[in-house]
Order: sequence, then structure tokens, then C-alpha cells
Amino acid sequence: SAVISQKPSRDICQRGTSLTIQCQVDSQVTMMFWYRQQPGQSLTLIATANQGSEATYESGFVIDKFPISRPNLTFSTLTVSNMSPEDSSIYLCSVAKQNEAFFGQGTRLTVV
Amino acid sequence: QKEVEQNSGPLSVPEGAIASLNCTYSDRGSQSFFWYRQYSGKSPELIMSIYSNGDKEDGRFTAQLNKASQYVSLLIRDSQPSDSATYLCAVKAGGSYIPTFGRGTSLIVHP
Repeated sequence: SAVISQKPSRDICQRGTSLTIQCQVDSQVTMMFWYRQQPGQSLTLIATANQGSEATYESGFVIDKFPISRPNLTFSTLTVSNMSPEDSSIYLCSVAKQNEAFFGQGTRLTVV
Repeated sequence: QKEVEQNSGPLSVPEGAIASLNCTYSDRGSQSFFWYRQYSGKSPELIMSIYSNGDKEDGRFTAQLNKASQYVSLLIRDSQPSDSATYLCAVKAGGSYIPTFGRGTSLIVHP
């Protein structure tokens, strides 16, 4: 498995501001991902965080809104930019290890 | 469009009973199948992986896979109130790093 530390665990932010979420893994992993989970919904993949290159975004998600950094094989950040109440959600960091996916504790974001 | 379908529930079972959770998937190229448990307010936790047809048992949990019918299930024996959670089914095609998740089934185990 993998031990994934994600922070902050929760935050309440003003609309128009930005929040950066950090994800630290206890070992080097090739594949890191960022998901969003809205209440009562399943997981929606935002992007794959690629080490040394730009993230790969899924349909409906753009770099200007969700910039991602991946400076090394154990760390990534997701920024939610120019937030609106529609961005209120749980954001999850995930890693793939030995064909299995593991998740951080999640960040519960509320935009007011 | 790859789809993973689950009944949203809630599925309510009495303590000590067998809970049966079901999942169907659309992509015949799928090769890896997973069950995650998600407690309210928490992140998903991997509880079972299955890759070949048949049953795989781990403690009180049994995963069942039928690729011909594109169907995977999770049985929880001797259900406990602590098993009350949402169970997510995830499916992955061969060579892909990214699973497709179902919307989850809410399980309630009542004393």
C-alpha cells in the first residue's frame, strides 16, 4: 500500500481566492492523480499529475482553474483558483502502486 | 464511454446477515476490479482486488467476478454495524493506470 498525507484536511474560503492542496507520499510513485468528489457522487478525475511535465487534464477541467505541480515522485499540489461556491467539494489525491489505487485523507473545501 | 453501475441503495441488513453488493461494467477490456469502502466524511479505502473469474475471500469479505456477464460483487458475511459505509466498485482496463468508479452503494447494518 501507500501512506499518503494530504493537507489541509478542510478549509473554508472566500469566493475569488485560491487554495493549494498538498499531497505527500511515503515512497516514490510514478502515477499521481487528483479527484473531486461532490456530495453523494462518485469520484471524478481532474487530472494526472506528471513528474517533469504538464499535468494531463480530463474533459471539463483546465489548467488555469486547477494548476498542478509535480516537482518529484513523492509530492504534488493542486490549486483551486478563483473559487466559486460550485467548487465546494472534497478533493482527493490518489496514487497508483502495484496496480492498485490509494487515496489521501481528502480536503473538504467550502467556498462562501 | 466506460461505465460502472451500482445500485445507490441504501441497502439495509441486520447485524450478522450477509450483505451482497453488486456492480456491472460496460468495458469488456476490463481486467482489474476493486472494491473500496468509504465511511462518511472519509476517503475511499481499498478492501478487495480481484483479477480472475471466480471468488476471492479475505476474512469476512468475498469478491466474485464473472467477466462473461460483466459483473462483480462483494459479499460481507456476519455484517457488523461498523460495516455501514458506502462501497465503491472500480474497474480498470488492462494497461491503464486509471480506474473507473461507480457511484457507490450505501450499506446500513442495523443492530
